[in-house]
Amino acid sequence: NAGVTQTPKFQVLKTGQSMTLQCAQDMNHNSMYWYRQDPGMGLRLIYYSASEGTTDKGEVPNGYNVSRLNKREFSLRLESAAPSQTSVYFCASFRDRGFGELFFGEGSRLTVL
Amino acid sequence: KNEVEQSPQNLTAQEGEFITINCSYSVGISALHWLQQHPGGGIVSLFMLSSGKKKHGRLIATINIQEKHSSLHITASHPRDSAVYICAVGEFGNEKLTFGTGTRLTIIP
Repeated sequence: NAGVTQTPKFQVLKTGQSMTLQCAQDMNHNSMYWYRQDPGMGLRLIYYSASEGTTDKGEVPNGYNVSRLNKREFSLRLESAAPSQTSVYFCASFRDRGFGELFFGEGSRLTVL
Repeated sequence: KNEVEQSPQNLTAQEGEFITINCSYSVGISALHWLQQHPGGGIVSLFMLSSGKKKHGRLIATINIQEKHSSLHITASHPRDSAVYICAVGEFGNEKLTFGTGTRLTIIP
């Protein structure tokens, strides 16, 4: 099925632990994004990748790293998780430069204790 | 930075009512997106607009570029339309989108 797949869907971490959220799209899109969604706030951009081999910081990049492994995959890593990173994370992709339909993954609910 | 405001924040209506959700933004845009998120669910794209009007089933989206305003209308609303509706805007030469905080719609049978 075409779309954006992200894993895991749920994760509980202890403060200081690390983890990687995986995202893959099979639509040959250039642009991929990682967002976090917190209650009462709009989606906030963590990092994005306009094309394979490039990544840029978004609005809230602190505490995160990303890798655009190839055109399909864009991963988000938390090196030392903090309770403030408890959130729902969404991966998204566009065909090109924000035009065309947006496709989102199903979300990953992360709790940091 | 573009400021995106949605109104109302919450809306409760009876089944069958005509629904309007509004989105205003502060800086000229290349495109505006309307998204739907069901409780506990993922986010799906409803429309992308750069001008005029689009219709899909019972959903209609309009945009007025001069007034920096867009509306999402739902005709003959149904309980399954209950969801959060999110507006997002993109700017020319900018890879990033700016999102509104969403409108929570509840349709009562």
